[in-house]
Amino acid sequence: DAGVTQSPTHLIKTRGQQVTLRCSPKSGHDTVSWYQQALGQGPQFIFQYYEEEERQRGNFPDRFSGHQFPNYSSELNVNALLLGDSALYLCASSWTGQDHSGNTIYFGEGSWLTVV
Amino acid sequence: AQSVTQPDIHITVSEGASLELRCNYSYGATPYLFWYVQSPGQGLQLLLKYFSGDTLVQGIKGFEAEFKRSQSSFNLRKPSVHWSDAAEYFCAVGARSNDYKLSFGAGTTVTVRA
Repeated sequence: DAGVTQSPTHLIKTRGQQVTLRCSPKSGHDTVSWYQQALGQGPQFIFQYYEEEERQRGNFPDRFSGHQFPNYSSELNVNALLLGDSALYLCASSWTGQDHSGNTIYFGEGSWLTVV
Repeated sequence: AQSVTQPDIHITVSEGASLELRCNYSYGATPYLFWYVQSPGQGLQLLLKYFSGDTLVQGIKGFEAEFKRSQSSFNLRKPSVHWSDAAEYFCAVGARSNDYKLSFGAGTTVTVRA
Protein backbone atom coordinates (compact mmCIF):
# COMPACT_ATOMS: atom_id res chain seq x y z
CA ASP A 1 0.00 0.00 0.00
CA ALA A 2 1.68 3.17 -1.19
CA GLY A 3 1.63 6.09 1.16
CA VAL A 4 1.35 9.72 0.14
CA THR A 5 3.45 10.31 -2.96
CA GLN A 6 4.65 13.66 -4.25
CA SER A 7 6.39 14.85 -7.38
CA PRO A 8 8.79 16.22 -8.27
CA THR A 9 11.12 15.70 -5.32
CA HIS A 10 13.35 18.65 -6.17
CA LEU A 11 13.08 21.54 -8.57
CA ILE A 12 14.63 24.93 -9.22
CA LYS A 13 12.68 27.86 -10.61
CA THR A 14 13.41 31.48 -11.39
CA ARG A 15 11.66 34.43 -9.77
CA GLY A 16 8.43 35.27 -11.54
CA GLN A 17 7.92 31.78 -12.91
CA GLN A 18 5.08 29.44 -12.06
CA VAL A 19 5.31 25.97 -10.53
CA THR A 20 2.99 22.99 -10.19
CA LEU A 21 3.50 20.33 -7.55
CA ARG A 22 1.60 17.06 -7.50
CA CYS A 23 0.32 14.74 -4.79
CA SER A 24 -1.33 11.34 -4.71
CA PRO A 25 -3.00 10.56 -1.40
CA LYS A 26 -2.70 7.33 0.49
CA SER A 27 -5.07 4.65 -0.77
CA GLY A 28 -8.54 5.13 0.71
CA HIS A 29 -8.00 8.76 1.62
CA ASP A 30 -10.21 11.50 0.21
CA THR A 31 -8.81 14.68 1.71
CA VAL A 32 -5.58 16.41 0.79
CA SER A 33 -3.86 19.30 2.53
CA TRP A 34 -0.76 21.23 1.57
CA TYR A 35 1.84 22.69 3.89
CA GLN A 36 4.88 24.91 3.36
CA GLN A 37 7.95 24.29 5.48
CA ALA A 38 10.65 26.93 5.25
CA LEU A 39 14.15 25.99 6.35
CA GLY A 40 14.39 25.72 10.12
CA GLN A 41 10.66 26.17 10.69
CA GLY A 42 7.62 24.04 11.28
CA PRO A 43 5.14 23.37 8.49
CA GLN A 44 2.55 26.06 7.77
CA PHE A 45 -0.92 25.12 6.52
CA ILE A 46 -1.69 26.38 3.02
CA PHE A 47 -5.07 24.83 2.20
CA GLN A 48 -7.17 21.68 2.25
CA TYR A 49 -9.16 20.04 -0.53
CA TYR A 50 -12.12 17.72 -0.18
CA GLU A 51 -14.64 16.72 -2.85
CA GLU A 52 -12.65 18.76 -5.35
CA GLU A 53 -13.21 21.99 -3.43
CA GLU A 54 -11.00 24.14 -1.25
CA ARG A 55 -12.43 23.74 2.26
CA GLN A 56 -9.97 25.61 4.43
CA ARG A 57 -7.18 28.04 3.74
CA GLY A 58 -4.28 29.33 5.75
CA ASN A 59 -2.69 32.75 5.59
CA PHE A 60 -1.25 32.49 2.09
CA PRO A 61 -1.76 34.89 -0.85
CA ASP A 62 -3.85 34.10 -3.90
CA ARG A 63 -0.66 33.26 -5.80
CA PHE A 64 -1.06 29.89 -4.13
CA SER A 65 -3.85 27.87 -5.66
CA GLY A 66 -4.76 24.23 -5.91
CA HIS A 67 -6.92 21.62 -7.42
CA GLN A 68 -8.24 18.22 -6.51
CA PHE A 69 -9.14 15.67 -9.14
CA PRO A 70 -11.91 13.01 -9.06
CA ASN A 71 -9.33 10.37 -8.11
CA TYR A 72 -8.49 12.52 -5.03
CA SER A 73 -5.03 13.47 -6.27
CA SER A 74 -4.12 17.12 -5.99
CA GLU A 75 -1.96 19.86 -7.41
CA LEU A 76 -0.48 22.93 -5.80
CA ASN A 77 0.22 25.87 -8.09
CA VAL A 78 2.29 28.88 -7.19
CA ASN A 79 2.39 31.85 -9.54
CA ALA A 80 4.83 34.77 -9.73
CA LEU A 81 7.41 32.97 -7.62
CA LEU A 82 9.35 34.93 -5.03
CA LEU A 83 12.64 34.04 -3.40
CA GLY A 84 10.72 33.58 -0.15
CA ASP A 85 8.70 30.77 -1.70
CA SER A 86 11.76 28.52 -1.46
CA ALA A 87 10.72 25.75 0.89
CA LEU A 88 9.73 22.14 1.30
CA TYR A 89 6.12 21.66 0.24
CA LEU A 90 4.40 18.83 2.04
CA CYS A 91 1.22 17.10 1.04
CA ALA A 92 -0.88 15.35 3.66
CA SER A 93 -3.86 13.07 3.24
CA SER A 94 -6.55 11.63 5.45
CA TRP A 95 -10.01 10.10 5.39
CA THR A 96 -13.03 12.14 6.39
CA GLY A 97 -14.98 9.16 7.68
CA GLN A 98 -15.38 8.89 11.42
CA ASP A 99 -12.63 7.07 13.24
CA HIS A 100 -13.08 6.48 16.95
CA SER A 101 -9.40 7.07 17.53
CA GLY A 102 -9.31 10.23 15.49
CA ASN A 103 -8.33 10.42 11.87
CA THR A 104 -4.65 10.09 11.20
CA ILE A 105 -2.99 12.54 8.85
CA TYR A 106 -0.23 11.08 6.72
CA PHE A 107 2.45 13.21 5.11
CA GLY A 108 4.44 12.68 1.96
CA GLU A 109 8.17 13.25 1.73
CA GLY A 110 7.70 16.62 0.11
CA SER A 111 8.84 18.60 -2.89
CA TRP A 112 11.86 20.84 -2.41
CA LEU A 113 11.41 24.10 -4.30
CA THR A 114 14.31 26.49 -4.75
CA VAL A 115 13.61 29.89 -6.30
CA VAL A 116 16.62 31.71 -7.67
CA ALA B 1 -6.69 30.32 16.91
CA GLN B 2 -4.54 27.46 18.04
CA SER B 3 -0.78 27.67 18.42
CA VAL B 4 2.10 25.53 19.65
CA THR B 5 5.32 26.44 21.43
CA GLN B 6 8.31 24.14 21.61
CA PRO B 7 10.63 25.90 24.06
CA ASP B 8 13.74 23.88 23.23
CA ILE B 9 15.33 24.52 19.85
CA HIS B 10 18.07 21.93 20.25
CA ILE B 11 18.64 19.09 22.70
CA THR B 12 21.70 16.86 22.92
CA VAL B 13 21.36 13.55 24.70
CA SER B 14 23.65 10.56 25.21
CA GLU B 15 22.68 7.25 23.69
CA GLY B 16 20.81 5.20 26.28
CA ALA B 17 19.76 8.26 28.26
CA SER B 18 16.18 9.42 28.62
CA LEU B 19 14.67 12.15 26.48
CA GLU B 20 11.89 14.62 27.11
CA LEU B 21 10.71 17.18 24.59
CA ARG B 22 8.41 19.95 25.72
CA CYS B 23 5.31 21.15 23.94
CA ASN B 24 2.85 23.82 25.10
CA TYR B 25 -0.29 24.57 23.16
CA SER B 26 -2.85 27.31 23.12
CA TYR B 27 -6.41 26.46 22.21
CA GLY B 28 -9.73 27.31 23.78
CA ALA B 29 -11.43 23.96 23.45
CA THR B 30 -10.32 20.37 23.67
CA PRO B 31 -7.24 20.08 21.50
CA TYR B 32 -6.18 17.25 19.28
CA LEU B 33 -2.44 16.83 19.68
CA PHE B 34 0.23 15.15 17.62
CA TRP B 35 3.94 14.51 17.62
CA TYR B 36 5.73 14.04 14.31
CA VAL B 37 9.36 13.20 13.58
CA GLN B 38 11.30 14.37 10.55
CA SER B 39 14.65 12.91 9.54
CA PRO B 40 16.94 15.06 7.37
CA GLY B 41 15.50 15.54 3.91
CA GLN B 42 12.42 13.51 4.73
CA GLY B 43 8.74 14.11 5.26
CA LEU B 44 6.89 13.84 8.56
CA GLN B 45 6.19 10.57 10.32
CA LEU B 46 3.50 10.40 12.99
CA LEU B 47 4.83 9.20 16.34
CA LEU B 48 1.60 9.44 18.34
CA LYS B 49 -1.60 11.37 18.75
CA TYR B 50 -4.03 12.34 21.50
CA PHE B 51 -7.72 12.76 20.82
CA SER B 52 -9.46 11.75 24.03
CA GLY B 53 -9.38 9.24 26.87
CA ASP B 54 -6.22 8.16 28.63
CA THR B 55 -3.91 11.14 28.92
CA LEU B 56 -0.80 8.99 28.55
CA VAL B 57 -0.50 7.83 24.97
CA GLN B 58 1.91 5.33 23.53
CA GLY B 59 3.41 5.73 20.11
CA ILE B 60 5.82 4.06 17.77
CA LYS B 61 9.55 3.61 18.33
CA GLY B 62 9.11 3.49 22.12
CA PHE B 63 7.84 7.07 22.48
CA GLU B 64 5.06 8.19 24.79
CA ALA B 65 3.44 11.53 25.56
CA GLU B 66 1.31 12.85 28.37
CA PHE B 67 -1.50 15.35 27.95
CA LYS B 68 -1.81 17.74 30.88
CA ARG B 69 -4.77 20.05 30.43
CA SER B 70 -3.94 22.13 33.52
CA GLN B 71 -0.52 22.93 32.11
CA SER B 72 -1.56 23.06 28.43
CA SER B 73 1.26 20.66 27.72
CA PHE B 74 1.86 17.53 25.69
CA ASN B 75 5.44 16.49 26.39
CA LEU B 76 7.11 13.65 24.52
CA ARG B 77 9.31 11.13 26.30
CA LYS B 78 11.48 8.15 25.58
CA PRO B 79 13.18 6.18 28.36
CA SER B 80 16.30 5.23 26.40
CA VAL B 81 17.30 6.90 23.15
CA HIS B 82 19.02 5.21 20.25
CA TRP B 83 21.34 6.89 17.75
CA SER B 84 18.59 6.54 15.16
CA ASP B 85 16.37 8.90 17.19
CA ALA B 86 18.47 11.86 16.04
CA ALA B 87 16.00 13.95 14.06
CA GLU B 88 13.71 16.95 14.29
CA TYR B 89 10.54 16.60 16.31
CA PHE B 90 7.40 18.63 15.80
CA CYS B 91 4.42 19.03 18.06
CA ALA B 92 1.14 19.97 16.37
CA VAL B 93 -2.39 20.86 17.45
CA GLY B 94 -5.65 20.56 15.56
CA ALA B 95 -9.09 21.82 16.44
CA ARG B 96 -11.01 18.57 16.00
CA SER B 97 -10.44 15.08 14.80
CA ASN B 98 -11.20 15.77 11.16
CA ASP B 99 -9.65 19.21 11.00
CA TYR B 100 -6.65 19.06 8.74
CA LYS B 101 -5.47 22.55 9.56
CA LEU B 102 -2.74 21.57 11.95
CA SER B 103 -0.65 24.23 13.66
CA PHE B 104 2.93 23.14 14.20
CA GLY B 105 5.60 24.27 16.59
CA ALA B 106 9.00 25.36 15.29
CA GLY B 107 10.48 21.99 16.15
CA THR B 108 13.18 20.60 18.41
CA THR B 109 16.34 19.15 16.92
CA VAL B 110 17.64 16.13 18.82
CA THR B 111 21.30 15.15 18.60
CA VAL B 112 22.38 11.81 20.04
CA ARG B 113 25.98 11.43 21.13
CA ALA B 114 27.69 8.08 21.53
